[in-house]
Amino acid sequence: QLQLQESGPGLVKPSETLSLTCTVSGGPMSSSNYYWGWVRQTPGKGLEWIGSIYSGGSTYYNPSLKSPVTISLDTSRNQFSLKLYSVTAADTAVYYCARPRALSGNFDSWGQGTLVTVSS
Amino acid sequence: QSVLTQPPSVSAAPGQKVTISCSGSNSNIGPNHVSWYQQVPGAAPKLLIYDNIKRPSGIPDRFSGSKSGTSATLGITGLQTGDEADYYCGTWDGRLSAAVFGTGTKVTVL
Repeated sequence: QLQLQESGPGLVKPSETLSLTCTVSGGPMSSSNYYWGWVRQTPGKGLEWIGSIYSGGSTYYNPSLKSPVTISLDTSRNQFSLKLYSVTAADTAVYYCARPRALSGNFDSWGQGTLVTVSS
Repeated sequence: QSVLTQPPSVSAAPGQKVTISCSGSNSNIGPNHVSWYQQVPGAAPKLLIYDNIKRPSGIPDRFSGSKSGTSATLGITGLQTGDEADYYCGTWDGRLSAAVFGTGTKVTVL
């Protein structure tokens, strides 16, 4: 059974870079034609899709995000990562890694989530 | 601000039925499949319904989904105390080029 687990700092200073990694277990990422993505949740804005990456490397980001973002893949480690640049307090949220079925609203597997607070 | 609108809360007694609506537009629900998620406090969302009406393995048939035009509905029959949670709809929005989620509905079992 597929399992996803987020890891990374729980506190980031304003204007710095938020970096998270998602480790996938239960099957090799390299042999699958899947998408992998990040979703965050704040009390005020609910669930927000950040972006997704296809196993071939193509990336898709939410155009409404105010902070620049990069999602990358490391199939040798069965991991994918999120970098959110120049963060502000508005980026404080619980961040989930998840597996979307293509570019859709269907996310069939989720990590447990990790709280990231942006504060000095 | 979400482009998919849900009622903030619904409630019913154990054993009864509730329905949760998800209202969208011709750029999201209209042309695309809808998914539904259950989120209990402190946990990640869990997929309940995908492709409008399909249930993943392990999801009881008490949960059902439907779609008509630019709206979708989640139904829960035989309500149980364990069904108390927040429920979200989700789909793709072609105009925004983004996956979008609903505002969320809290289900309370009276």
